[in-house]
Formats: sequence, C-alpha cells, structure tokens
Amino acid sequence: ELKVEQNPLFLSMQEGKNYTIYCNYSTTSDRLYWYRQDPGKSLESLFVLLSNGAVKQEGRLMASLDTKARLSTLHITAAVHDLSATYFCAVDGGDDKIIFGKGTRLHILP
Amino acid sequence: DADVTQTPRNRITKTGKRIMLECSQTKGHDRMYWYRQDPGLGLRLIYYSFDVKDINKGEISDGYSVSRQAQAKFSLSLESAIPNQTALYFCATSELDRGYGYTFGSGTRLTVV
Repeated sequence: ELKVEQNPLFLSMQEGKNYTIYCNYSTTSDRLYWYRQDPGKSLESLFVLLSNGAVKQEGRLMASLDTKARLSTLHITAAVHDLSATYFCAVDGGDDKIIFGKGTRLHILP
Repeated sequence: DADVTQTPRNRITKTGKRIMLECSQTKGHDRMYWYRQDPGLGLRLIYYSFDVKDINKGEISDGYSVSRQAQAKFSLSLESAIPNQTALYFCATSELDRGYGYTFGSGTRLTVV
C-alpha cells in the first residue's frame, strides 16, 4: 500500500528566507504532483513531475523528483507572504488514482 | 463557468439523513474522483470512476455510495449521515494521460449534526 509522507507538516518562516518541503513515498512511482491550497479554497495544481530527475520551476517555487530515492522536494526561494498556503504532494499509486500526503501548512511572516 | 462544479457548496444535515453531493464537469474527462479532506489528514480517496460502467472503491468507501449518471456527472451519497462524516468533500477529474494531473472542484463543506 502506497504511503506518502510530507515533512514538515507545519512551517513558519520569515520573508526572504529559503526552505524546502520534503515528500517521501513508499512504493515505486514515476509520477508526482504538487498542489497548493489556500484556506477554504480548492486545490490548485502547481507542478506535475513525470520522470526521474524532473525539475520544474515557477517563480519562487522549484520542484524536483528522485524516483530512486522515492523523494520529491519543493524548494522555496526568498519567501514572500503570498506563498502562505498549504502544499500537498500526491503520488500516482497505480490503478489510475493518486494518494495525497497530509499537507505542509506554510506560514510566512513579514 | 468552472470546469468542475460541485453542489451544494455548504450543507448542514442531521444524523441519519440521506444526502447527495453532486459533481459535474465540462472538461470531457473520463475519470472522476471523490475525495474527503479532514484537518491534518490530507485528502483521502472515497470512490473513483473511469467511465459510467466502471466504479471503484477508494481508501474510505464505507458509509458512502456513488452514481456515475453520465460521463460528465458523478454523485456521492451518504445513505445515513453520521457526525464523523463532517468534512470538506472534493470532486476531481483527470484525462487518460494524467500527465496533466487532476482538476478539482471548489468543494462541498458538509456538517452532520
């Protein structure tokens, strides 16, 4: 059974700092997704990583995938308040369904 | 109009009542999903469907049932609601090639009292 673990689950950081959110998963998969959720809102797709070594960047966010280590990272560069949200990673569990981590609640202090 | 529409947006119901949450999509996707979100638990898959004749149970299907009335419509029912089914429910769709990930609806906040 596929397990997806994110850490940390809560992160409070200051504007301008860099930080990384980690997503580990328990079984082989080569598709991983990152989503953002603002309070009370739906999930917005950020990145789709489809192969080992995939790296994608959008603004201050960069995601990477290492399928051999079963690890994805979401790196935040020079954080700004607008990036405060909950970030979810989700992994393709086969059978056409994806399994979500518990989410990382990111709070960026001015 | 939203690509994936959920109704109602909010609902308060009493224990023991039957309730249906509806989802419709205009993306033309074959695959549709129902997830439940609880604080600190992430999203958990309830049911998913690949087409109108293909319905599959997810991680937490007990106490729920679904109906795929058409390619564009996928409904979730709680036959006899109980308080621990209070949660935020999301419908999602995807294409056969899931290189594009999922598209989520706006969610239905359900409270069972």
